[in-house]
Amino acid sequence: DTEVTQTPKHLVMGMTNKKSLKCEQHMGHRAMYWYKQKAKKPPELMFVYSYEKLSINESVPSRFSPECPNSSLLNLHLHALQPEDSALYLCASSQGTGGFYEQYFGPGTRLTVT
Amino acid sequence: GQQLNQSPQSMFIQEGEDVSMNCTSSSIFNTWLWYKQDPGEGPVLLIALYKAGELTSNGRLTAQFGITRKDSFLNISASIPSDVGIYFCAGQLLTSGTYKYIFGTGTRLKVLA
Repeated sequence: DTEVTQTPKHLVMGMTNKKSLKCEQHMGHRAMYWYKQKAKKPPELMFVYSYEKLSINESVPSRFSPECPNSSLLNLHLHALQPEDSALYLCASSQGTGGFYEQYFGPGTRLTVT
Repeated sequence: GQQLNQSPQSMFIQEGEDVSMNCTSSSIFNTWLWYKQDPGEGPVLLIALYKAGELTSNGRLTAQFGITRKDSFLNISASIPSDVGIYFCAGQLLTSGTYKYIFGTGTRLKVLA
């Protein structure tokens, strides 16, 4: 089983709202990732969690706040977003982060900020 | 952020034709992954490559890890309409003591029946 699940599939939020994106995997992977993807562009790395600890933050604005409650779950908390933050947000997981690992993606959450 | 050079950017081909695309970089990678992405969906892993010179197949797909470790190639044989989509390469490299994947700019494939 190589499934990563994400909820919700679609989200529309105002600039003053607070919302959260959720990601889950049951492959026993110890690394989880958040990516942002704009239309017709490749995924851009936002955050990496390794063994439930944040190991990479690609200079993402503080209005995006990641959280890894346990090794199977990854959240992305959203607050005071801008319209330019509208994008497909992808979660991914891999066995580890030490190299030579395959990375599996979830189906994504389509976020629209109004 | 960083991106890999991927070519061609897009291609229209006839059903049954073979397709080739590649990713190149000035950096050395220790792993290459190839993905296919349909509109509104997440990328689906097609092939993983771990060694320089490695040639790996998955059905009609064949990918190679370049001998210099700076490039990778994907071939699709006898294309069918469901091959339509965007194909991304992703190379894993070590930067500042941390491994991460860098994605290619994508190849948009359209198959004409």
